[in-house]
Order: sequence, then structure tokens, then C-alpha cells
Amino acid sequence: DQQVKQNSPSLSVQEGRISILNCDYTNSMFDYFLWYKKYPAEGPTFLISISSIKDKNEDGRFTVFLNKSAKHLSLHIVPSQPGDSAVYFCAARSIQGAQKLVFGQGTRLTINP
Amino acid sequence: DAGVIQSPRHEVTEMGQEVTLRCKPISGHDYLFWYRQTMMRGLELLIYFNNNVPIDDSGMPEDRFSAKMPNASFSTLKIQPSEPRDSAVYFCASSPSSPYEQYFGPGTRLTVT
Repeated sequence: DQQVKQNSPSLSVQEGRISILNCDYTNSMFDYFLWYKKYPAEGPTFLISISSIKDKNEDGRFTVFLNKSAKHLSLHIVPSQPGDSAVYFCAARSIQGAQKLVFGQGTRLTINP
Repeated sequence: DAGVIQSPRHEVTEMGQEVTLRCKPISGHDYLFWYRQTMMRGLELLIYFNNNVPIDDSGMPEDRFSAKMPNASFSTLKIQPSEPRDSAVYFCASSPSSPYEQYFGPGTRLTVT
């Protein structure tokens, strides 16, 4: 049972344009959501998060949107840069799960010059 | 801070041998997590500790796997005996009590032949 789903395994975007990465979840007890970025041969690094009491959080070029009714969140990167090429994971924390995070399968983002 | 430190970075061993992976969390973090990443199953949580006490080991695949945290600055994940299907990248992560962001180490790539 995959509670956090990233249905697009890969995404290719032109440099300077907007990248939109999507994530769907099924567990209504999730109250905190995170995005991580992972480069090859490195561990995932925390990017941005959002609490379920908000619908938007912005940090520089990165914005996360949360639509609770649709159980959907997205990560927008504007403008996209070559260094953004990486695998992006969304993750969620459940009220019942204490500090546990459930991760999606990841989306590989490629920024083309 | 140096971040989460894992050793070794790469481990190649023969089936049946004992493997020990090591982790030093970020100083002051109350939680420590062990994950395994494979192509088939993605990033899955094996076990996590709070203040050196194991809280949830439901992700540990079988009795061949064991984890310890003898003090706040050190943890081990042991596989005995190892099998080829244990080949994966193993990540250690740590986090404070709040917020929920976890900080990952660089991972140990384990190959069991």
C-alpha cells in the first residue's frame, strides 16, 4: 500500500522555465509534508516543507502547494537551473506515526540548457 | 557541524559474511533513522531510535538484521549472515524533536556477492 505516490518517474524542463513536480497521498492523517532533493552518490537533502494548516510555503525559487481536499501537493521551481537536475522525493508525516516519514518513489528532474 | 557521518561508504562482501554499517548523527538530534534504498522498493524505513531507544523496528526485514545505538553519537546496523538480496544503499538520518526534517548521511553502498 503506497501512501505517497509520485506518478511521474521523470520530468524534463528547459532552463529558465518552471518545473512542477507532483505528489499524491492517501492517508488523511498526514499533517506535515516535505520535499527532498537527491544527487547521485549522495544522501537526500531537505528542500522545503509545509504543514497541513497551510496551503502554500515559499523559499526563494521553491514553492510548495498543498491541496488537502485533493490530497495533492506540488513543488514549483522557478526559474529552473541546471543544478536543479536531481531526483526529488516527497515525504509525509502522520500524526499517528510520530517522527516517521513516508517517502514517494521519486521523480528524476532534468533541466536542459 | 559535519552532518551525518556514515562508514564505510562502500562495502563488498561475500554471502554469509557479517556486515556492520556505522553512523554518527548530528550532535543534539534526538532521533536516528536507518533506511534502505533499492530500485524495487524505493526508500524504506528499517528502524528508528529516540534518545538511543529503539521505537519502531517494524521495517527490519528479518532476524538477520539488527541495530543498536549505545550512545547519542553512534549507531550500528548489522546484517548476519548477509545475502545477495541485501545489496542496496543504506542511509542513516537524524532529526531534532521538532521540526520533522530529517538530515541524511551520504549512504553506504552494500554489495553482497
